Amino acid sequence: GENVEQHPSTLSVQEGDSAVIKCTYSDSASNYFPWYKQELGKGPQLIIDIRSNVGEKKDQRIAVTLNKTAKHFSLHITETQPEDSAVYFCAASTGGYQKVTFGIGTKLQVIP
Amino acid sequence: ETGVTQTPRHLVMGMTNKKSLKCEQHLGHNAMYWYKQSAKKPLELMFVYNFKEQTENNSVPSRFSPECPNSSHLFLHLHTLQPEDSALYLCASSQDLRLGGKNQPQHFGDGTRLSIL
Repeated sequence: GENVEQHPSTLSVQEGDSAVIKCTYSDSASNYFPWYKQELGKGPQLIIDIRSNVGEKKDQRIAVTLNKTAKHFSLHITETQPEDSAVYFCAASTGGYQKVTFGIGTKLQVIP
Repeated sequence: ETGVTQTPRHLVMGMTNKKSLKCEQHLGHNAMYWYKQSAKKPLELMFVYNFKEQTENNSVPSRFSPECPNSSHLFLHLHTLQPEDSALYLCASSQDLRLGGKNQPQHFGDGTRLSIL
């Protein structure tokens, strides 16, 4: 089955700096890669996703890149703000099916 | 009320107790999911229901018993749990089991924090 590895497990950045979280996947058939943000006491919320037919997607301060050859994808957050502090999960899905495999999560702390 | 609602938010129970977790979605979805979230581990998919029928059981111990009476409600009945079952239990829903086109990824509830004494 699919295996998703995520790093770093924790990340501290100064407010205004950029943050990058990286993930790798094992199943070359995976074709959909969502990213979730989980705030304290809340469930995971989808913040951005990318499909295998594109290499990059951007939504305001958040961008995701995908390298199918190397089987890795990354989340980039620019101009970080304290409200970006949360746990971020990457995930991968295969074959147009809702079953997704999650990474272990990255706890991001933005220091004011 | 919109989205996915889970009750209770917190539950403390002894190993011999019987309790149930409830999930209700107001999104008109047909698929519902139970996940277990433990510290320093990826989310673990436990059960999947589609149109009230169970389509997946990821080798979950029988002390966890799911029930899906209709597409809007999902229960997780708990009996004789172990300390290692302490975790955050998340419910999610999606339009159906397909992903793509107009079918958006799963929408999660805020979870039930379960502590086993």
